[in-house]
This record gives sequence, C-alpha cells and structure tokens, in this order.
Amino acid sequence: QPVLTQSSSASASLGSSVKLTCTLSSGHSSYIIAWHQQQPGKAPRYLMKLEGSGSYNKGSGVPDRFSGSSSGADRYLTISNLQSEDEADYYCETWDSNTHWVFGGGTKLTVL
Amino acid sequence: QVQLVESGGGVVQPGGSLRLSCAASGFTFSSYGMHWVRQAPGKGLEWVAFIRYDGSNKYYADSVKGRFTISRDNSKNTLYLQMNSLRAEDTAVYYCAKSIAALVDYWGQGTLVTVSS
Repeated sequence: QPVLTQSSSASASLGSSVKLTCTLSSGHSSYIIAWHQQQPGKAPRYLMKLEGSGSYNKGSGVPDRFSGSSSGADRYLTISNLQSEDEADYYCETWDSNTHWVFGGGTKLTVL
Repeated sequence: QVQLVESGGGVVQPGGSLRLSCAASGFTFSSYGMHWVRQAPGKGLEWVAFIRYDGSNKYYADSVKGRFTISRDNSKNTLYLQMNSLRAEDTAVYYCAKSIAALVDYWGQGTLVTVSS
C-alpha cells in the first residue's frame, strides 16, 4: 500500500520561497496526490491536485504563490513570496484501490 | 459556494455511541463521493470512511471497521457517521469532506468527539 513521507518541519523567511516534499513509497511513484493546508486552529483547506507528470490543478481561491511539481516519486509544493499566513501544517493525500485513502504525517511550516 | 457543516459531536463514555451529521450545500450532493476524516488532538489527519455518490459502496479504515457506519441521504443533502463501541482513541475532531476524483477537495469545519468516562 502507498505510504506518504513528509518532513516533520520546515522554515523559511518572510518573502522568500520554500519547497515542501511528499515522497511516495516504492511502487507508487505514478500516484496522483493532493496537498492540503491547515492553519493553526482551523480546518484543513484543499490546495491542489498534483499528478506525476507535474501537472496540477489548484482549488478555488488558492493564491498564485502556490504551485506544484513532481520528480519521480517526489511531489512538491512550492510557496513563493512567503506570507505570515502561510505558517501552517501541510499534508499530502493519496488514494489506492486496496488501502483506500492515506495522508502523509504533515509538515509544519514556520515563517521566520 | 460549497459548504459542509458537521454536527453531533460531544462527550460520550467508552463503549457508547454517537451519530455525526454533515449538511452539504453549494453543489450537487448526489453526484459526489464523501469522506469522514479525523484528527486526534495534536496529531495529523486520519482517513476514516468513504461513501460513493449513490451509496453503493462504502470503505473504512481498519481502525474503525465493524464499529463505524457511513451513510448518506441524497434527498436531504446529508452525510452521516454512526459511531458505536467508542474508545478513548476515537477522541478527535471529525471532518466531513467532499471528494473529486477520489481525493478530498473541500472540508467542513469539524466537530469534536471526546470519549471519556
């Protein structure tokens, strides 16, 4: 079954860019994932669906500063021109016909 | 716009039951699969259950299989989660979520379930 691996934490300075990684387990490198953002004390918010080709579709209202890309089993979320409100937990999600839905452990992003 | 509003959370004793509801609006509810996803205090997201748009298929996480039942009433635009034999480890915020191409694309605001004596 697919396992999604994320770094537990990341940090970057206000106005800079950061690239978060979600790595699919062996044998699942072609899987489509979704990225979600959860600001402190709030419900998660869907950011985008990201394919292995690097093609992505963002959710309604997601700023242009958020983009996605892929390389092999790695799925990336890049946030440009970091703002204070980008400080949040970021989760990736995927689906498999056998194990159904799985989430990564999440990355806590700190904006310095 | 899409709105998902959960209700029914609260405090329940171990072994007890609770039914969560999720009222959906802003989209054609009967055309989309729906999820329940939970988050224990200070922890990450855990998928709980999924139901197809017409209720024909239901899927559960191993941790809740046999104890929880997902259902829907398309005439009322409402999703349900019946939770029986509740355990302390079921304590979490429960989110209702809409599905597109199997993955989640909208989230509700969540309802807190606390299992404690």
